[in-house]
Amino acid sequence: DSGVTQTPKHLITATGQRVTLRCSPRSGDLSVYWYQQSLDQGLQFLIHYYNGEERAKGNILERFSAQQFPDLHSELNLSSLELGDSALYFCASSVVASWSYEQYFGPGTRLTVT
Amino acid sequence: TQLLEQSPQFLSIQEGENLTVYCNSSSVFSSLQWYRQEPGEGPVLLVTVVTGGEVKKLKRLTFQFGDARKDSSLHITAAQPGDTGLYLCAGAENYGGSQGNLIFGKGTKLSVKP
Repeated sequence: DSGVTQTPKHLITATGQRVTLRCSPRSGDLSVYWYQQSLDQGLQFLIHYYNGEERAKGNILERFSAQQFPDLHSELNLSSLELGDSALYFCASSVVASWSYEQYFGPGTRLTVT
Repeated sequence: TQLLEQSPQFLSIQEGENLTVYCNSSSVFSSLQWYRQEPGEGPVLLVTVVTGGEVKKLKRLTFQFGDARKDSSLHITAAQPGDTGLYLCAGAENYGGSQGNLIFGKGTKLSVKP
């Protein structure tokens, strides 16, 4: 158990809909990262938040957004969903000012868009 | 954009055999991590290497960071069925001198048969 929690575990929705994925980082970690993993693309970095502020963006679509709240949990919002958005979504957290950049991953949310 | 190439993509071996998987890049990374992921679960951190030429051992697993910090290898001795999984390498990408996001390779899918 990494100490990172994600809900829900599974999500099935229709095209055009909007969903919210939730992540709680390990106790004491201020950084939260979101990743998308699909069979053909591997693990793709989406966005990084540190202590409530956006720090970096990766391959995140404009239809996707995220935020980190004062209690440090984070939410990833996916809107106008398309079939191609079906994937595993992971969040990870890390220690502040970690020189080694180690990240600890949650169990993921499997999103299926039908 | 920094890229990590992992090889081989797939590896199927018998219990007791030795194997090596590789992670290569044309870019220099400040650190490199190896993760192991089982189906439907999040990646689990195995090791972090930071110094060029560094070798770390974790039971039957030996990790090496290249002298130029552009490549790494993972060697497993006497593989066991429990070693089965997706092995991912990830390099730390710096921006602004602060904590950065990880660039992941696409992984090596290892299957160890009894």
